[in-house]
Amino acid sequence: NAGVMQNPRHLVRRRGQEARLRCSPMKGHSHVYWYRQLPEEGLKFMVYLQKENIIDESGMPKERFSAEFPKEGPSILRIQQVVRGDSAAYFCASRSGPNTEAFFGQGTRLTVV
Amino acid sequence: AQSVTQLGSHVSVSEGALVLLRCNYSSSVPPYLFWYVQYPNQGLQLLLKYTSAATLVKGINGFEAEFKKSETSFHLTKPSAHMSDAAEYFCAVSDRNQKVTFGTGTKLQVIP
Repeated sequence: NAGVMQNPRHLVRRRGQEARLRCSPMKGHSHVYWYRQLPEEGLKFMVYLQKENIIDESGMPKERFSAEFPKEGPSILRIQQVVRGDSAAYFCASRSGPNTEAFFGQGTRLTVV
Repeated sequence: AQSVTQLGSHVSVSEGALVLLRCNYSSSVPPYLFWYVQYPNQGLQLLLKYTSAATLVKGINGFEAEFKKSETSFHLTKPSAHMSDAAEYFCAVSDRNQKVTFGTGTKLQVIP
């Protein structure tokens, strides 16, 4: 049973481009979370999704950011028109159900140049 | 709303000394609490979790944590630090809405 898979591990984008970050949860996990990590700031919750539904997006910036978790395929975090401040590590986690352990991917490190 | 506060963004201990990383939580309902460890350029790995069973929870790598409701605390301890324990540690709380909220992390340095 593979763990949570995130790709790419490293992503470089120029200002104004789009960034797409992918997350394949563990087999059997239908709960997916996205977090952003900046140095010295810990993990900031962005969005919580279940299959085809956004459950909690209270941590998502109002503009340029969107997330989906389709019935088939990985969860996608999309950042449009990236700016330098979007540079960070983005982590995905998945769980099988309420109050179970969240398993993390190794993250995607986005650099905006 | 739930939250987690980790006191001390950096902690240094000597090899063989006691490790104590502090975590206080705020939750309107009985919480589920977790400690995770993150090594450089890696994702987070679960150390241990509290889910309303025993208040003293034992985890991997010799770590344990005690849930104290009266103090709203869930401090992480290890009797004797090892060089390989150097990493960043995150406390987290989960409520019935299933949102997992993390603290800002504590970087543990182990001095030979």
